[in-house]
Amino acid sequence: TQLLEQSPQFLSIQEGENLTVYCNSSSVFSSLQWYRQEPGEGPVLLVTVVTGGEVKKLKRLTFQFGDARKDSSLHITAAQPGDTGLYLCAGASNQGGSEKLVFGKGMKLTVNP
Amino acid sequence: DAMVIQNPRYQVTQFGKPVTLSCSQTLNHNVMYWYQQKSSQAPKLLFHYYDKDFNNEADTPDNFQSRRPNTSFCFLDIRSPGLGDAAMYLCATSRGRFVNTEAFFGQGTRLTVV
Repeated sequence: TQLLEQSPQFLSIQEGENLTVYCNSSSVFSSLQWYRQEPGEGPVLLVTVVTGGEVKKLKRLTFQFGDARKDSSLHITAAQPGDTGLYLCAGASNQGGSEKLVFGKGMKLTVNP
Repeated sequence: DAMVIQNPRYQVTQFGKPVTLSCSQTLNHNVMYWYQQKSSQAPKLLFHYYDKDFNNEADTPDNFQSRRPNTSFCFLDIRSPGLGDAAMYLCATSRGRFVNTEAFFGQGTRLTVV
């Protein structure tokens, strides 16, 4: 069974602070995605990382894929209240010819004004 | 415009009464997934279809079934809902090829069992 561990699981910070979320696994994934989910809604894709060592930036969000494609991090600079939500990482794998996404438990972020 | 549509958004069913949740997509994606998500937890994959090929997760209870009559539609059937089945049910689609396995989610159906 492939597992993705996210840390921290909960984080409450003040507006303007920086934070980093980690997503770790013992398995290798063909790609890894980060999603953001607001209460009562489905997850929305933020970014996909494919190549080991890849770094992608999306405004104040920086995503990195580990060299061995087993882990990833999300760094948010100068967090804003609008960043509040559940951040999920998901690994894409192909087991037995069946492609699927496996999700981590998520990191619940609260940014206080 | 919504690309993955789930109906209904909210469903209340009685304990033991069969219920069906529906999902449709306009993306023409090969893969459709059903996830169960309980409060503040990660989505848990129940099963998925790759075209017409059904892939059941080993730990998905027999109480949960699925149908995909065509590319656009997929249904989740819960034969005898229990109180523990109350959750948000998310449908998602993807092209299904390695680097293109990004999932597009619907807004979910919140199931309440009374």
